[in-house]
Amino acid sequence: AQSVTQLDSHVSVSEGTPVLLRCNYSSSYSPSLFWYVQHPNKGLQLLLKYTSAATLVKGINGFEAEFKKSETSFHLTKPSAHMSDAAEYFCVVSAPTGAGSYQLTFGKGTKLSVIP
Amino acid sequence: DTGVSQNPRHKITKRGQNVTFRCDPISEHNRLYWYRQTLGQGPEFLTYFQNEAQLEKSRLLSDRFSAERPKGSFSTLEIQRTEQGDSAMYLCASSPGTLNTGELFFGEGSRLTVL
Repeated sequence: AQSVTQLDSHVSVSEGTPVLLRCNYSSSYSPSLFWYVQHPNKGLQLLLKYTSAATLVKGINGFEAEFKKSETSFHLTKPSAHMSDAAEYFCVVSAPTGAGSYQLTFGKGTKLSVIP
Repeated sequence: DTGVSQNPRHKITKRGQNVTFRCDPISEHNRLYWYRQTLGQGPEFLTYFQNEAQLEKSRLLSDRFSAERPKGSFSTLEIQRTEQGDSAMYLCASSPGTLNTGELFFGEGSRLTVL
């Protein structure tokens, strides 16, 4: 079984200040972890992924995340927020099901607001 | 555009009516998934196809829901006798069989409103 906890349902930052979106996971396997972003009325876009290579993962638009096995965390950060970063962010844990697919478990999401 | 395409993007229907959504995955992606997303929640898995075979179904997929992928290309999700609780965003995603990480490519979703 696997689960994801996004510790904040809503984060508000000023433009130009750092962003931190927190995620903790649990998994019976060595998981793959993802962050997806969803803008209003849009589909989910992959920001970055961890797949057992480097623990510090860089993604698109200046985002990065660090996999910490000892803390079972995969927090998302960005040094300087931009207005266009305002969206909902989902932390996702993935594990193979044995039927040729992958079971993706999504967190409940963190809504990021950026104040001008 | 070569991404995952979903139609219609929005559907408003009255309770008891049937609705059908279509998903065209990225060409040559043999894996196709349907997810449901309700307000304030993350997407929840509904069903999975590998080529034309439906290999996994969630317990969320009641008897009123049926999904097909007849030729291993596009897929349809039909909801019969819709209920207000079916109101949600229905997301389709695909991935190639060569990708062994669980990364999915999502469409923009089909939003269903049941009155």
